[in-house]
Amino acid sequence: NAGVTQTPKFRVLKTGQSMTLLCAQDMNHEYMYWYRQDPGMGLRLIHYSVGEGTTAKGEVPDGYNVSRLKKQNFLLGLESAAPSQTSVYFCASSYMIGTGAFFGQGTRLTVV
Amino acid sequence: KNEVEQSPQNLTAQEGEFITINCSYSVGISALHWLQQHPGGGIVSLFMLSSGKKKHGRLIATINIQEKHSSLHITASHPRDSAVYICAALLGGSNYKLTFGKGTLLTVNP
Repeated sequence: NAGVTQTPKFRVLKTGQSMTLLCAQDMNHEYMYWYRQDPGMGLRLIHYSVGEGTTAKGEVPDGYNVSRLKKQNFLLGLESAAPSQTSVYFCASSYMIGTGAFFGQGTRLTVV
Repeated sequence: KNEVEQSPQNLTAQEGEFITINCSYSVGISALHWLQQHPGGGIVSLFMLSSGKKKHGRLIATINIQEKHSSLHITASHPRDSAVYICAALLGGSNYKLTFGKGTLLTVNP
């Protein structure tokens, strides 16, 4: 089925460890986004990309890096995980600005 | 203060009731999304609208640009409608950044 796929779905990290979350979409969308969702807060934009090879910071980028080497993939990296990065992470993609967004199923990350 | 406010925060209804969830925003927008998130699940886009009204099955979304307000209505509610409903707006001149409300937790009891 077409859509946005995130891997992994769950992960537990120790403080200081690194990891990469993968987001893949097969809809040929230009725009891709990484959000985090925390209790009592709305989703917040971490980083986004407006096309292959481009990335930009969102509202909460500190502690994260991203790459978009291929149009269909958007990677989110944590170089040195901290407990404050415990969250549910969602990837989304859209064809163009102002069109409907498609979300992945989320990645639940716990940093201990 | 969040630029996108939703009300109520929690809503409990009996099966068959008519449901209204409200979303207000503080500045002009170019588009507004209504999203649905089931417990432990992913996020599904229900509607995107910039004016007027849209309908899909038992769901209706309306927006009043002058009043900076949108509503999501569910007719003949069913327990499977139980979920968190989130509104998200492309605020002001932003052409990429969605600003999200905190969500409304809807529980429909049989």
